[in-house]
Order: sequence, then C-alpha cells, then structure tokens
Amino acid sequence: NAGVMQNPRHLVRRRGQEARLRCSPMKGHSHVYWYRQLPEEGLKFMVYLQKENIIDESGMPKERFSAEFPKEGPSILRIQQVVRGDSAAYFCASSPNAGDFQTNEKLFFGSGTQLSVL
Amino acid sequence: AQSVAQPEDQVNVAEGNPLTVKCTYSVSGNPYLFWYVQYPNRGLQFLLKYITGDNLVKGSYGFEAEFNKSQTSFHLKKPSALVSDSALYFCAVREQNFGNEKLTFGTGTRLTIIP
Repeated sequence: NAGVMQNPRHLVRRRGQEARLRCSPMKGHSHVYWYRQLPEEGLKFMVYLQKENIIDESGMPKERFSAEFPKEGPSILRIQQVVRGDSAAYFCASSPNAGDFQTNEKLFFGSGTQLSVL
Repeated sequence: AQSVAQPEDQVNVAEGNPLTVKCTYSVSGNPYLFWYVQYPNRGLQFLLKYITGDNLVKGSYGFEAEFNKSQTSFHLKKPSALVSDSALYFCAVREQNFGNEKLTFGTGTRLTIIP
C-alpha cells in the first residue's frame, strides 16, 4: 500500500509563472490536507478537501491560490503568478473517512514538494 | 481557536541521557494531541497521540508523552536518547469537535543528540 505521493519533489518557477503541485492520497483515503512549511517555521494549514468538495480553506491566501480534489485523479494545489514569498515546502496529508475519529485520528504525510521561485 | 506552543527552537542532549521536548496547547474544549517527527527532506511521521484515557502515552521508537490537563502540556520524553533521534519534532492539537478536521502544528523543535 503506497503512501501519500506528491510530485514533483522539487519545482522551480520564475516570478509570474504558475505552479501546480499534485498529491495522491493513500489508497482508501478520501480526505486531503495541504500544509505549507516556511523556513524556520512550523506547518501552516492551508486547505482541507474531500472528493469534489472544499471543506475548510481558512488557511489559503485569498488570491492566486486554489485547490481541488476531483472525483478521479490527484488533488492539485495551484499557485498562479508565483512570487518569491511562495517559496516553501508544501506538504500534503491524507486520512480515511471522517465521522469515525478512532480511525481518522492521524494524518499520513507525503514527502512534500519544495517550491523555489526565482 | 486552537494553538500550540513549542517554546524551544533547539534542544541538545548527550547520547544516553533522558530527553524532553516541551509543548503546551490551547483549545476551547477537550484536545486531541499528537507528536510528529520530520527527518531531513521527508514528510512528517506520526509518533504518538493522546485521545482519551491514560495520561501517559507510549509511541514509536521508545518515545512517550504525558498529558497534563491542568498545565495544558503534552511534553515528549525518552529515557535514553539515541543519535538517530536527531530530527525536527512537531507537536499538534485538534479540538474534539466533530467536523473540525484541522490539525494545528507548533513551530517545531530541532532535537540534536550529541554522541
């Protein structure tokens, strides 16, 4: 059973370009979370999605950032018109179904995508 | 709102000595508490959790943590440190509230075990 898969591992973009980060959750997991880790800082929650639904996007910047988790395929975190301040490690995590916290109590993390904006 | 504080950015411990990594939390109701570890260029790995029951929780790699409700703390401990324990450790909290799926993480503590 493969873990949470994120790609690419490293992504380099110039200012103004678009960045697309992909996350395939663990098999059987229908919940996806995106976190951002800035240098010397902890993980900051960005967005929580279930299949075809955004449940909590309270941590997403209001502009340029969007996320989706379609019925088929990976979850995508999209950053338009990237700026240097977007440089960070972006982690995806997944968990099984909500409503049963005993199985849903921990997150499984991917290895992250390191975004560098030149 | 839920929050976590890890007051120490860096902890250095000699190999074989006991280690403690501190964490305090703040939630409106009852907490679920977690420790995760991050090795270089890797994602976070789950170490242990407190959901309910015994205040002393045992986890992976010989780590344990004690839930102290009166002090709102959940310090991570290990009786005898190994060099391989050197990593970045994150404490996290989630309020026990159905529908709240969001884990809030601390800023992390870098643990260095000195041979």
